Amino acid sequence: DTEVTQTPKHLVMGMTNKKSLKCEQHMGHRAMYWYKQKAKKPPELMFVYSYEKLSINESVPSRFSPECPNSSLLNLHLHALQPEDSALYLCASSQGWTGGSLVDFGPGTRLLVL
Amino acid sequence: GEDVEQSLFLSVREGDSSVINCTYTDSSSTYLYWYKQEPGAGLQLLTYIFSNMDMKQDQRLTVLLNKKDKHLSLRIADTQTGDSAIYFCAESGAAGNKLTFGGGTRVLVKP
Repeated sequence: DTEVTQTPKHLVMGMTNKKSLKCEQHMGHRAMYWYKQKAKKPPELMFVYSYEKLSINESVPSRFSPECPNSSLLNLHLHALQPEDSALYLCASSQGWTGGSLVDFGPGTRLLVL
Repeated sequence: GEDVEQSLFLSVREGDSSVINCTYTDSSSTYLYWYKQEPGAGLQLLTYIFSNMDMKQDQRLTVLLNKKDKHLSLRIADTQTGDSAIYFCAESGAAGNKLTFGGGTRVLVKP
């Protein structure tokens, strides 16, 4: 079983709602990631946090707002989403960002925007 | 930019070996991964190989890496119905752990 946990497992929200996805790891990893995966497609990187600082934002719309409150937690705040944002959102972590280290994925949150 | 390619589909009989192939373009890749994704689930790291290795065996799984041709393969011995899933290969480069994924190979195991 993965040591990266994500809540909730499933989320249905309207376009005017505000919700948050949560991710947690206790492996001492200092890099954490958000990926988005549409049906029948590979995951695509959204954000990278390294040592609790945002390192990479892959031109993600501002209706997605990441937050890293501490080294174990990563949140993704959602506001005014569109139906095309419906996807599986995967959190991942690794020991570090540079130098090459294994990336572990969480089970994902399946999001449906109505 | 980096590119990773896989064939779309593989059908195999239960008990036979499966071989899933992947090609990549980034010559500075440090890790090459194989992930398994079952329907409705997240990504499960199956195995990985360092770019300075050419083979890795882990129980029923054998990874072969031909760095000259930038070709990676995953062999699953004695394939079982529980092996039916989508398999993604991915690579990360020396600059950082941004994973570039292939499009995924859907493996169907027939009894």
